[in-house]
Amino acid sequence: DTEVTQTPKHLVMGMTNKKSLKCEQHMGHRAMYWYKQKAKKPPELMFVYSYEKLSINESVPSRFSPECPNSSLLNLHLHALQPEDSALYLCASSQEVGGPQPQHFGDGTRLSIL
Amino acid sequence: GENVEQHPSTLSVQEGDSAVIKCTYSDSASNYFPWYKQELGKRPQLIIDIRSNVGEKKDQRIAVTLNKTAKHFSLHITETQPEDSAVYFCAASENAGNMLTFGGGTRLMVKP
Repeated sequence: DTEVTQTPKHLVMGMTNKKSLKCEQHMGHRAMYWYKQKAKKPPELMFVYSYEKLSINESVPSRFSPECPNSSLLNLHLHALQPEDSALYLCASSQEVGGPQPQHFGDGTRLSIL
Repeated sequence: GENVEQHPSTLSVQEGDSAVIKCTYSDSASNYFPWYKQELGKRPQLIIDIRSNVGEKKDQRIAVTLNKTAKHFSLHITETQPEDSAVYFCAASENAGNMLTFGGGTRLMVKP
């Protein structure tokens, strides 16, 4: 099975904290994605990176800041989050952005904001 | 933008029966339709997908059909087993951005 690895698995933080979520894939995929999933809801797209450049930002608040340091890594920096930001944050990757491409998901980081 | 509707929201079947989940989409430019299975606390797992130039695709007990004219596609699971119990999401995307729009999900329960 293809593998996307996310750390940490769980994260509890206060509204004034700064933390980062990490995502890694070694499949040579050039597109990476962040999704947010609330309980009993489908994943919602937040960001798309294509060849390490941000290509889509789905009007996400600036307290979420993505970063793609290289083709294998994707980070999501968190600052001044609100309780409603508590959710499962999923990372996914695909070979490329253009053309229909299967997206493969990681296990996610379950984030709780106190 | 794309809108994907999925029905039913919950589905309970007896082990060995078939299960059918249906989705409709709004954007005629959509040409890729994956299905994901998500068990409790786990990742969405791609189980089958279909592209718009194909009407049907099978993989063992799972099949997907696509009707582009009517803009709907369906997932068929035959000979269901308890381990098929999960939430299933359909999705649609078009070429340019590979952005997936998901349906609302179907909770499938297979009773032994």
